[in-house]
Amino acid sequence: TQLLEQSPQFLSIQEGENLTVYCNSSSVFSSLQWYRQEPGEGPVLLVTVVTGGEVKKLKRLTFQFGDARKDSSLHITAAQPGDTGLYLCAGAFGSSNTGKLIFGQGTTLQVKP
Amino acid sequence: NAGVTQTPKFQVLKTGQSMTLQCAQDMNHEYMSWYRQDPGMGLRLIHYSVGAGITDQGEVPNGYNVSRSTTEDFPLRLLSAAPSQTSVYFCASSPYRGPYEQYFGPGTRLTVT
Repeated sequence: TQLLEQSPQFLSIQEGENLTVYCNSSSVFSSLQWYRQEPGEGPVLLVTVVTGGEVKKLKRLTFQFGDARKDSSLHITAAQPGDTGLYLCAGAFGSSNTGKLIFGQGTTLQVKP
Repeated sequence: NAGVTQTPKFQVLKTGQSMTLQCAQDMNHEYMSWYRQDPGMGLRLIHYSVGAGITDQGEVPNGYNVSRSTTEDFPLRLLSAAPSQTSVYFCASSPYRGPYEQYFGPGTRLTVT
């Protein structure tokens, strides 16, 4: 059974601080996605990474895919209250075209003004 | 486009009752799936479908049935509700090609008493 371990599970920081969320597995991902979810809503896709070592930036968010494609990180620079939410990583494993994703447990981020 | 729609938004059931959660998408996506979200456990896949007439089980299928008669609709049926099925349910759709980026509905919060 493939598992995605996300850490930390909870993070409470002050506005302007930096933070990093990690997503790790013992298996190799064929691709990995990061989603953000606000209370009462469904997750919304932020980014997809496919290539080992890939780095993608979305404004103040930087996403990195490990060289071995077993881990990923999300770094937020100068966090703002609007970044508050649940961040989820989701990985696709193997080469078979099942379309199934495995989700991590999520990281709840609270940014205080 | 409305994207992925789900009804109802909230539902309370008594143990043993049955009901159907509705899901529809207007993006012509082949792949549709149902997840449940419980605190600290991320999203877990219940059932999925890769096209009309084709369904398969996910990680936690027991107590749930699905069918896919059209590309647009993917209802989830609870056969005999149990308190353990209290959860938030999300329907998602995706183009059936890698990396299977998911578009989520707004969710249904179900309470079984």
